[in-house]
Amino acid sequence: NAGVTQTPKFQVLKTGQSMTLQCAQDMNHEYMSWYRQDPGMGLRLIHYSVGAGITDQGEVPNGYNVSRSTTEDFPLRLLSAAPSQTSVYFCASSYGGRAIDTQYFGPGTRLTVL
Amino acid sequence: KNQVEQSPQSLIILEGKNCTLQCNYTVSPFSNLRWYKQDTGRGPVSLTIMTFSENTKSNGRYTATLDADTKQSSLHITASQLSDSASYICVVSGGGSARQLTFGSGTQLTVLP
Repeated sequence: NAGVTQTPKFQVLKTGQSMTLQCAQDMNHEYMSWYRQDPGMGLRLIHYSVGAGITDQGEVPNGYNVSRSTTEDFPLRLLSAAPSQTSVYFCASSYGGRAIDTQYFGPGTRLTVL
Repeated sequence: KNQVEQSPQSLIILEGKNCTLQCNYTVSPFSNLRWYKQDTGRGPVSLTIMTFSENTKSNGRYTATLDADTKQSSLHITASQLSDSASYICVVSGGGSARQLTFGSGTQLTVLP
């Protein structure tokens, strides 16, 4: 099993550009989520999904869109990049959406917006 | 507002030594507390999870403790190794859902030879 994979690993954007961060898992997990990690702060939830076709907003959803057309894939779209979106983005998945379910994280995408 | 505070922010120890990392939380209601290890450039990996009824849990050289009354947890690392160099993140659940997690900012541990 590859686990949770994310692409790209690094990305530099100019303000106003759009892009999609890819996330895939091969563990047949129903719950998937996107977090951002900023220096000196804990991970913050952007969007999450409890299954194919179902998504919802987390703590910091503004400027991001998600979709979940399959169980395996959960892409994160930046609509119009801003410098405040410079961060490291992590995708995670778990068997269920309970707090006690272990979340498995991808390796992250380091995004810089100029 | 739910908060998770970790101390120290960073710690440097010599290989073979023990260390203890602290986590204080103000999350309510409390469901469970998990410790993650995050190597540089990688995603977090779960070390251990404790519910309110558990006060100690071990995973190899890692031992986590929980005092739900004082809302404190600690992670003790025994006989440290160079591979223990990482950020250790405390995560507290304020409910039964994964979307109700509050993450601490982590303690950066460096183990020197």
